[in-house]
Amino acid sequence: AQRVTQPEKLLSVFKGAPVELKCNYSYSGSPELFWYVQYSRQRLQLLLRHISRESIKGFTADLNKGETSFHLKKPFAQEEDSAMYYCALVGAGNMLTFGGGTRLMVKP
Amino acid sequence: SQTIHQWPATLVQPVGSPLSLECTVEGTSNPNLYWYRQAAGRGLQLLFYSVGIGQISSEVPQNLSASRPQDRQFILSSKKLLLSDSGFYLCAWSGGTGAYEQYFGPGTRLTVT
Repeated sequence: AQRVTQPEKLLSVFKGAPVELKCNYSYSGSPELFWYVQYSRQRLQLLLRHISRESIKGFTADLNKGETSFHLKKPFAQEEDSAMYYCALVGAGNMLTFGGGTRLMVKP
Repeated sequence: SQTIHQWPATLVQPVGSPLSLECTVEGTSNPNLYWYRQAAGRGLQLLFYSVGIGQISSEVPQNLSASRPQDRQFILSSKKLLLSDSGFYLCAWSGGTGAYEQYFGPGTRLTVT
């Protein structure tokens, strides 16, 4: 069975500080991983996907198959980064499995 | 461009009453459709998904059901609501096989009293 774990429900950092949102997964096959974000009063939307190896809004995420992790990182957090972040995995049946989510609060 | 709508936006229902939440998608054909529940502190839980009209797969056994009467319409229903059905319900769509990005609707906040 596939599973996504986000160990932190809440992460609070000061503006300008580095931020890392943790995501670990378990899946026997070759996973595709994503980060979704939900800003206040906005819809849940895709932030980035590992196959694109892209940086979106300063965020990057590297798939580490050895550690089965896909942590989301940003070197300097901004107040507008405050949101709910979900890590997700596509596995069997092409279904997305979401983690429990981490609420990021960036304080001024 | 594609858009996804959900209504109502908020709903307060007594225990034991029926439920009908509607989701419609515009600007695409034969989408995959999904119903999720977002409960506080518990993340996103996939409830149902559909790959075509009349084709519904259930991920979690419960007193909810889903139907897809038209290509771009997805309905979440219950005959008798429970207190535990309270939550935020999200509808999403994605393209065909291999299109893993899902597009989410604005959601419905359901409170069962």
